[in-house]
Amino acid sequence: DIQMTQSPSSLSASVGDRVTITCRASQGISNYLAWYQQKPGKVPKLLIYTASTLQSGVPSRFSGSGSGTDFTLTINSLQPEDVATYYCQKYNSAPWTFGQGTKVEIK
Amino acid sequence: VQLVESGGGLVQPGRSLRLSCAASGFTFDDYAMHWVRQAPGKGLEWVSGISWNSGSIGYADSVKGRFTISRDNAKNSLYLQMNSLRAEDTALYYCAKNQEAVTASAVFDIWGQGTMVTVSS
Repeated sequence: DIQMTQSPSSLSASVGDRVTITCRASQGISNYLAWYQQKPGKVPKLLIYTASTLQSGVPSRFSGSGSGTDFTLTINSLQPEDVATYYCQKYNSAPWTFGQGTKVEIK
Repeated sequence: VQLVESGGGLVQPGRSLRLSCAASGFTFDDYAMHWVRQAPGKGLEWVSGISWNSGSIGYADSVKGRFTISRDNAKNSLYLQMNSLRAEDTALYYCAKNQEAVTASAVFDIWGQGTMVTVSS
């Protein structure tokens, strides 16, 4: 099975900073990658799919890029409401594996 | 659009439990559906998925042979029958809607609030 590895596991940044989270697949998955945001105590929310397509209603400060094995989620101008754990997930083939998550906090 | 799970609770190892998910606000039989779980303090793990017409079903290796997913499109409902439960099945179980009708690719665009399953003696 393909493994998904995120880095870093956690980060602390200031409001207004640009934040980048990386997700690496152990084999190529083309652009079949989604990103989810899970705020503390809340339900996961779809942010991005096909590596770079923003889900409806998601703020434009979120963006995704990558293809093959290496992907990034970028938050331009971090806001207090972006405090959350972010997960990548591959969906080129089953099993639909998630990364271990990246916890984003405000410094 | 809403997904409401039910059926969780405290159960002894080796026993069974059946989870349900009631869907509303969208055409249920147009979409594949999934169960995703999250152990306390841990990440997300896909458990099982079922296509719009139940023609395609998949399971994670960790639950294969013990869990059975099903759906009743007439009742807008999704189910997960969990047998031979183990301590490591303890988790919050989410019902999640697929973006598409088939399970050939799984993007989870709507999630329920989850139902907690605790397996302990």
